[in-house]
Order: sequence, then C-alpha cells, then structure tokens
Amino acid sequence: GAGVSQTPSNKVTEKGKYVELRCDPISGHTALYWYRQSLGQGPEFLIYFQGTGAADDSGLPNDRFFAVRPEGSVSTLKIQRTERGDSAVYLCASSARGVTGELFFGEGSRLTVL
Amino acid sequence: SQQGEEDPQALSIQEGENATMNCSYKTSINNLQWYRQNSGRGLVHLILIRSNEREKHSGRLRVTLDTSKKSSSLLITASRAADTASYFCWGGGGKLIFGQGTELSVKP
Repeated sequence: GAGVSQTPSNKVTEKGKYVELRCDPISGHTALYWYRQSLGQGPEFLIYFQGTGAADDSGLPNDRFFAVRPEGSVSTLKIQRTERGDSAVYLCASSARGVTGELFFGEGSRLTVL
Repeated sequence: SQQGEEDPQALSIQEGENATMNCSYKTSINNLQWYRQNSGRGLVHLILIRSNEREKHSGRLRVTLDTSKKSSSLLITASRAADTASYFCWGGGGKLIFGQGTELSVKP
C-alpha cells in the first residue's frame, strides 16, 4: 500500500472486553513499531518487530497486552480485559531500515474503553 | 522515563519569526529524528541527522546534533501558521522512546 494503514480508526468498547487493533505496514518494510499516546502526552513505546519476531517488547505495560506479526507484514495488537486506562490512540509505524531509517506512521486507532 | 526530552514544552511566536526547540536524550543513538504531529494523530517525519553529522538542512528546517552533550536542536525559519503542531525528537538505535514534545503555535 501507499502508506501505513491502521484499522479500526475508532473503537469503543466496554471495560473487560477483548480488543484487536490491526496495522498494515508499507510493503517491504521489515521493522514495525507500536506506540500509544494519551491526550497531551508523547507517544509511549510498546513493542518493536524486526521481521516476525519482537526485537523489543519492553514497553508492553502488562500481560494483558500482546502483539503478533506472524508473516512479517501485518501486525495485530491484542488487548485482553480492557480497562478504562487503556483508552488512548494506538499508533503503528513501519520502517525499511529498522532503527537507522525514518518511521512512517499510520493515522492511529483511537480506543475508548467505557 | 523518556529517552528524548524536548524543550520548551510550549512555544508561541508570530508568523515570520524563527522557532527553536531542543531535545536531550539519555543513551547512545545511531541517528536522531524529528517528527511533527497535528491534532494527535499520525506523526510525520521531518528530518534525520546521523550520529556522525553535526548539522543538517532541509528547506526551512535546520537541525544540529551534539553527541557529547546528547542534545539536538530544531530550527524552523520564517515560520508560518501551518507550522502550528507538536514536535517530537526520537533517537534511532537507542531506547525507542519519544519525549513529551514541544507544542508550537504560530500566530498569523
């Protein structure tokens, strides 16, 4: 695709529900990042994939959060037992050259947990 | 904790003036990048400077990097109202963390 695509763009769910957020990176980009951003804050690092494997998952806040990238392209961020504090914009970015190149961001998925 | 810390947190200037914002980081980096964000959605890459470079220009943007001080600055010359946005720095090769950003407001 022309850019990084994230779906859904908006998701409203109830506390305790399970949520999946999808990121479709730029074709051929081997590196993929997930960040989340709360209002008025900078993006908070969650996880970085190089190919299919998580090169750095130190930002995942707890075991309710999990991300996969089974074929080295599309990635899914999974959040179990959502809490109101999970409400944020979840940003995905991809890069052709990992941490040595520029990141291309999607428009984000806004998650609201009621 | 943040890898990148931008200052000032907020900057308000008149159109035509220059805007300077600074970034400090904590760990070694391969490169430092500046991003711009409008309305809390996706970030847009502005400029990348490598660790062996000291200064780089791109249009109205000028970025400097001082690896001994672990700091960088972004200068936007002849600012326009359309430059109003939040600006973030990001260190590639270090901890993959953004700072809180500088919120720039350019008044027409």
